Amino acid sequence: DTAVSQTPKYLVTQMGNDKSIKCEQNLGHDTMYWYKQDSKKFLKIMFSYNNKELIINETVPNRFSPKSPDKAHLNLHINSLELGDSAVYFCASSQGGADTQYFGPGTRLTVL
Amino acid sequence: QQQVKQSPQSLIVQKGGIPIINCAYENTAFDYFPWYQQFPGKGPALLIAIRPDVSEKKEGRFTISFNKSAKQFSLHIMDSQPGDSATYFCAANLLGSARQLTFGSGTQLTVLP
Repeated sequence: DTAVSQTPKYLVTQMGNDKSIKCEQNLGHDTMYWYKQDSKKFLKIMFSYNNKELIINETVPNRFSPKSPDKAHLNLHINSLELGDSAVYFCASSQGGADTQYFGPGTRLTVL
Repeated sequence: QQQVKQSPQSLIVQKGGIPIINCAYENTAFDYFPWYQQFPGKGPALLIAIRPDVSEKKEGRFTISFNKSAKQFSLHIMDSQPGDSATYFCAANLLGSARQLTFGSGTQLTVLP
């Protein structure tokens, strides 16, 4: 069983479009995250979210928004896609204040 | 502003060698220092982690050395194997209710057979 899954694995789209990436975890964790990994493999936190608070990295454009329909899901919506949004996006989860984060397999987004 | 600096960017060793990857941090509020391993096409996975109250931690062939006064920590891989070839990330975590990891820039390790 996949602990943290993401769909789609690959996403190719035109500039200006709106797209979503879905994330699901079956670990029973209550905190989920989105990370962006750029072409140089640098990993940067975008959001962390549990049922109490959403923490947004201040450098994330407001075109990006996380949406959580329930504890097991945290989807990433991106409006008005730009070329610079091309990257691999990773979802992760952890249990409350636990330190270990479990990452999904990633979604490679390419904006043309 | 990069809060965790990692070096080297890439590293090539022979099988059986001991690669060492170094990280330095700036924020003294960090209280947890994990290392993640990432294979091509996969997400990062926790390898080993340390808290600042200990100076060394070993798990199998992997060892973290931690120097609190210098604000530095390093990963040593004993008897490295070709299967260890991957990208390694150090990270640091801030106190708080949402544990947001700050990653280093990554080290691409290649272990030659």
